Amino acid sequence: GALVYQYPRRTICKSGTSMRMECQAVGFQATSVAWYRQSPQKTFELIALSTVNSAIKYEQNFTQEKFPISHPNLSFSSMTVLNAYLEDRGLYLCGAVGDNERLFFGHGTKLSVL
Amino acid sequence: TQTVSQSDAHVTVFEGDSVELRCNYSYGGSIYLSWYIQHHGHGLQFLLKYYSGNPVVQGVNGFEAEFSKSDSSFHLRKASVHWSDSAVYFCAVRSNTGNYKYVFGAGTRLKVIA
Repeated sequence: GALVYQYPRRTICKSGTSMRMECQAVGFQATSVAWYRQSPQKTFELIALSTVNSAIKYEQNFTQEKFPISHPNLSFSSMTVLNAYLEDRGLYLCGAVGDNERLFFGHGTKLSVL
Repeated sequence: TQTVSQSDAHVTVFEGDSVELRCNYSYGGSIYLSWYIQHHGHGLQFLLKYYSGNPVVQGVNGFEAEFSKSDSSFHLRKASVHWSDSAVYFCAVRSNTGNYKYVFGAGTRLKVIA
């Protein structure tokens, strides 16, 4: 079956440092990968949508300079949170689009910032 | 502007009761609707989707949802809930134009009392 592995599951970083999270699609080809953030007590905000062979589209309030994304092939994507501060904490989810246009999510990376 | 509204932030029912979680959307054109479940501390798990055809769609664990174009709704239902159904439920909508940008509702926290 189709699965999305996301790691790390949890991470803690010092304020001003950076952390990278990775997303692996297994059993299907992830032509598009969407990265979302769920801040405490909030719903999911789309950070950016990455489609293979197309430019990565960032949503308002999110930039490549802050959240650089790599999507080198149909099974892997990574995103880095640069210079993380308290407002960047939350649950980061990658969603990969597979067959039937269903969005398969990983378990998420919970980011805490000290 | 595309919006998704889940009018109930919290719903509490007893085990064995039926439940309906409401979702209304504001979207132009052809759309793709989904429901996801988030257990505490975890990512999103897919429940069901609707794109076309029979407006009542069946999902996992006995959940179903009904699409209504006239009401702009996609309510989720279950005839008899179990305590393990306690979680946060998110309705998600996207335009069916090939852009996989999902807009999520604020979520409804379902508490099932055993």
